[in-house]
Amino acid sequence: DADVTQTPRNRITKTGKRIMLECSQTKGHDRMYWYRQDPGLGLRLIYYSFDVKDINKGEISDGYSVSRQAQAKFSLSLESAIPNQTALYFCATSDFGNTIYFGEGSWLTVV
Amino acid sequence: AQSVAQPEDQVNVAEGNPLTVKCTYSVSGNPYLFWYVQYPNRGLQFLLKYITGDNLVKGSYGFEAEFNKSQTSFHLKKPSALVSDSALYFCAVSARGGATNKLIFGTGTLLAVQP
Repeated sequence: DADVTQTPRNRITKTGKRIMLECSQTKGHDRMYWYRQDPGLGLRLIYYSFDVKDINKGEISDGYSVSRQAQAKFSLSLESAIPNQTALYFCATSDFGNTIYFGEGSWLTVV
Repeated sequence: AQSVAQPEDQVNVAEGNPLTVKCTYSVSGNPYLFWYVQYPNRGLQFLLKYITGDNLVKGSYGFEAEFNKSQTSFHLKKPSALVSDSALYFCAVSARGGATNKLIFGTGTLLAVQP
C-alpha cells in the first residue's frame, strides 16, 4: 500500500464546477504539501501545512484552497474550476528532515 | 532568487552504457540538492540527496550524483543504464537550511534507454 494516497486518481470536470482532491498519509509526518505539475514547468507548490493548525500559500495558490482535517489528511479544492487548472496534482509529505515523499498523483482535466 | 536548470529535455542512451543527467543550480548559501524520478503514471520517487559531506552521493537503483560547488552542478550518473531506468528525472534545490517549502524543481529530463 502506498504511504501517500490520493483520490481520485483521474477526474474530468466541467468549467465552473467545484472539485476536491483528497490526500491521506500513513507516514506519520506532520508536514503536507500540494504541488501541481505541468509539462515543461516542473512542479510548483500550491499550498503547504506544517501541522494541523498551520496552512500556508505556496507559489501558485490563486484559485485553490486547502483543508487540513487531521495530521494524516490534507485536501485541495478548486472552488470554480477553469481549463488552465488542467494538470497533474501531487500531494506530498515530509517530517522535520529535508526529504519530501510524493503520492502517485491525480490527473485533473477541466473541460 | 534560487533556481535550478536541467539543460536537456531528453537524454538518449543505449542499455549498458553510462548515463549522465545534468543539473545546475543557483542559490544563496549552502544548497540542499535532490534527485527524484517519475515513472509513467506514477508519482515522484526520491533517489538521493546532498546536504553536506562527500561530494559523491549514492542513491537508489544504482544511481549516484556528484556535487560540484565551483561549477554549481549536481549531475546524476549511473555506470550502466537499464531499459527500466527510462523515466522522467527531476533535480531540485533548496536553500535556507533545506526548507521544504522553498524547494525549487527543475523542468525535468526524460531519459530514454534503448535496448
